[in-house]
Amino acid sequence: NAGVTQTPKFQVLKTGQSMTLQCAQDMNHEYMSWYRQDPGMGLRLIHYSVGAGITDQGEVPNGYNVSRSTTEDFPLRLLSAAPSQTSVYFCASSYGTGDRSYGYTFGSGTRLTVV
Amino acid sequence: KQEVTQIPAALSVPEGENLVLNCSFTDSAIYNLQWFRQDPGKGLTSLLLIQSSQREQTSGRLNASLDKSSGRSTLYIAASQPGDSATYLCAVRGLYNFNKFYFGSGTKLNVKP
Repeated sequence: NAGVTQTPKFQVLKTGQSMTLQCAQDMNHEYMSWYRQDPGMGLRLIHYSVGAGITDQGEVPNGYNVSRSTTEDFPLRLLSAAPSQTSVYFCASSYGTGDRSYGYTFGSGTRLTVV
Repeated sequence: KQEVTQIPAALSVPEGENLVLNCSFTDSAIYNLQWFRQDPGKGLTSLLLIQSSQREQTSGRLNASLDKSSGRSTLYIAASQPGDSATYLCAVRGLYNFNKFYFGSGTKLNVKP
């Protein structure tokens, strides 16, 4: 019963480098999302997806790309890392519709530092 | 736009005390409300989920209530313990914007031995 798995747990990047944060869930959740959490700013939605092939922007999408080719995976790509993207990133998933409203399940996070 | 507020931002209590954490939201059109716990450097752990048709949910020493009409939820922690020290966040899911989850900024709880 893995739930939501995020990799890596920690990452240090140099400015301008690109990387992909991985997120996978094994609960057959339609809805997946990415948040960043910064001190004093709370959780801010970056991108979300309501199913394979469907993605949309959240509050702070600039500098990030997503795709959803399968129900299980929702990777987050940093195109050209900037120090302002230093943050803790969380992936979360849930059922999208219907009566199976089991709420939101979060991954354990990726702590990213851009130097 | 839905706004979720949690007051107080921080709370310090002696061990054994019963306490209440508050969550208020501006739009009563919600699908459900969820309480989370976050330990320092960790992810969010779901504590309780209340559907919009429910008034309360209980799990062990935790009891969450929901008053949709007044836009309020409370998380009651009975007989607090030092292990309860963490940040507690509430989140509401929109009824009409089903893909939107709105988070409060959290209450940081410290239970002193």
